[in-house]
Amino acid sequence: SQQGEEDPQALSIQEGENATMNCSYKTSINNLQWYRQNSGRGLVHLILIRSNEREKHSGRLRVTLDTSKKSSSLLITASRAADTASYFCATWGSSNTGKLIFGQGTTLQVKP
Amino acid sequence: DAGITQSPRHKVTETGTPVTLRCHQTENHRYMYWYRQDPGHGLRLIHYSYGVKDTDKGEVSDGYSVSRSKTEDFLLTLESATSSQTSVYFCATLPSGGGVETQYFGPGTRLLVL
Repeated sequence: SQQGEEDPQALSIQEGENATMNCSYKTSINNLQWYRQNSGRGLVHLILIRSNEREKHSGRLRVTLDTSKKSSSLLITASRAADTASYFCATWGSSNTGKLIFGQGTTLQVKP
Repeated sequence: DAGITQSPRHKVTETGTPVTLRCHQTENHRYMYWYRQDPGHGLRLIHYSYGVKDTDKGEVSDGYSVSRSKTEDFLLTLESATSSQTSVYFCATLPSGGGVETQYFGPGTRLLVL
């Protein structure tokens, strides 16, 4: 079964608004990563947060991690039409299995 | 795309035929992965490799086999394709498996099994 579960499955907002996506996972992790997938393309890495970090920023992206709740959130501020894509969280287990486990993703639509 | 190519990019085949998908990387990454992506299931790991001739199963490995005879190539074979294997297949690499690395993905292969 999937390690990461994302919520919501789909999100539609207006350009300029903020978008928040959540990810929950089941086992202890070394780090959690977020990826973006544009329609018909491969996934592209956005940001990585380690298990001992609580918040991380990269441009308009803000990621939080709560290991006690086994959850993470991705916030995209001042969204643009170009942010329209699917977003996936992925976890690297603390036992270093050599595998990233992906969630089912959140599909974000940003309307101009 | 970090020098990852997949071939073919699109394939239509018939039930019962064998199919081989190829992933080629120019980054000398140690780890390579094959995923399938289906609506409602996200990305599911089929097999992965942690070195030449070193492979392991993922969560949906039944009906698939892999081989890695060179660092740069990772082959996925569907022994006898079934309609349930219609999917988009992605290859990915990871530099050394150190845990704080990110994966790099290929462009995907769309496979239709009739």
